[in-house]
Formats: sequence, structure tokens, C-alpha cells
Amino acid sequence: DVKVTQSSRYLVKRTGEKVFLECVQDMDHENMFWYRQDPGLGLRLIYFSYDVKMKEKGDIPEGYSVSREKKERFSLILESASTNQTSMYLCASRGPTGNTIYFGEGSWLTVV
Amino acid sequence: ILNVEQSPQSLHVQEGDSTNFTCSFPSSNFYALHWYRWETAKSPEALFVMTLNGDEKKKGRISATLNTKEGYSYLYIKGSQPEDSATYLCAFYRIGGGADGLTFGKGTHLIIQP
Repeated sequence: DVKVTQSSRYLVKRTGEKVFLECVQDMDHENMFWYRQDPGLGLRLIYFSYDVKMKEKGDIPEGYSVSREKKERFSLILESASTNQTSMYLCASRGPTGNTIYFGEGSWLTVV
Repeated sequence: ILNVEQSPQSLHVQEGDSTNFTCSFPSSNFYALHWYRWETAKSPEALFVMTLNGDEKKKGRISATLNTKEGYSYLYIKGSQPEDSATYLCAFYRIGGGADGLTFGKGTHLIIQP
């Protein structure tokens, strides 16, 4: 059974803290994505990666960075968390363009 | 940012009734259209991948059609059951989009009332 695993499901962090959200996939996919989901706004792409050490900005990259040191792992980093980054973060992976996307179960982040 | 619209935004349907909702997308540079079902507290899961104009796909009581020339897809649910309650997302792939050739709609939130 294919799997995208987000290690942290629920986090509460203080403003200014550095936050790491980890995502691992076991399908040997080249492409990995980080989205955030907010009410009324749908899924918005933060960053994506099409290969190890490669990354591209999505629609809302400000305040975030990413790391892809190994093919199976894609990390989202909030350098200095702010309250407007309180959201649900969804990791995904995919093979070639057009193929099915596989999602993790989401990480709920609250910044206080 | 491409415009992918889903309507209605939310929908209440009586158990046993049939229903349908729409995904509209740009009619140019079409590559593929996906439908996903997202149940609360779970991961979104793929329902259909559609690539050809006129495609019709079916999985049990759920089916989908695709019109790439006019830029829309319909999702149909026949004889709704409580387990169909979920948010249904469509995702549009455009030609030449590379790894990020994908735009999601905001979803249709479906609630089946017993």
C-alpha cells in the first residue's frame, strides 16, 4: 500500500520559533509538494521539488523554505513562525506529470 | 494562477438521492483532469484521472464526464450514502506545466443527510 507519511499531525508552536514539518514517501516518486489548506481558499502550493536538492517556489512561498536531501524525504521549514501560518499543511508526491497524486494525512499547526 | 472553479461550494443531499457537481477549467493547454475525494481526518484519495475529451469514468456509484473543448467536468453520485460525505476536489493539469502544472479547485463539500 503506497504511503505518504507526515510525522507530526498536531503541533502548537510559539511565534518566532523555527518549525520543521517532515514528509516521507515510499513510492520512489521524483516529485514532492507542500500545500496549505485554509477555509475558503482551497489547496495552495507552497513549494515543490522535482528531484533531490531541487526546489521551486509555488504560489505562496513567503515565510517558508524546504529541504530535499534524499529522494523520499521533503521537509517544510518555517524559519520564524507567525500566527498567520496557523494552518493545515498537506504533503504530496507524484510520479510523472499527469499521474495520480498521493497525499499525506496533513499536519495541523497552531502558532500562538 | 489558473482559474479552476468548482460548484456548488457545498451541498446537502438526502440519503438515497442522486447528485452531481461541476469543475470548470481553462479549455486551452489541457493535459489531464483529476478528481479526489477528501474525507474528514483522512488523506485526499484519487477517484478518477481523465485525459481525453468525452471520457467517462465510473467507480461503483460514482461517475465522471469530461468536456475539454468547453472546459468542464461533472461528477455524479447515484443513490447517495452517508459514507459519500466528503469534500470532492478537482485538479487541472496543463500542458507544459512540468512538476507544477497542477491547479486545484476549492472543492465541493458534500453532506449526505440520513
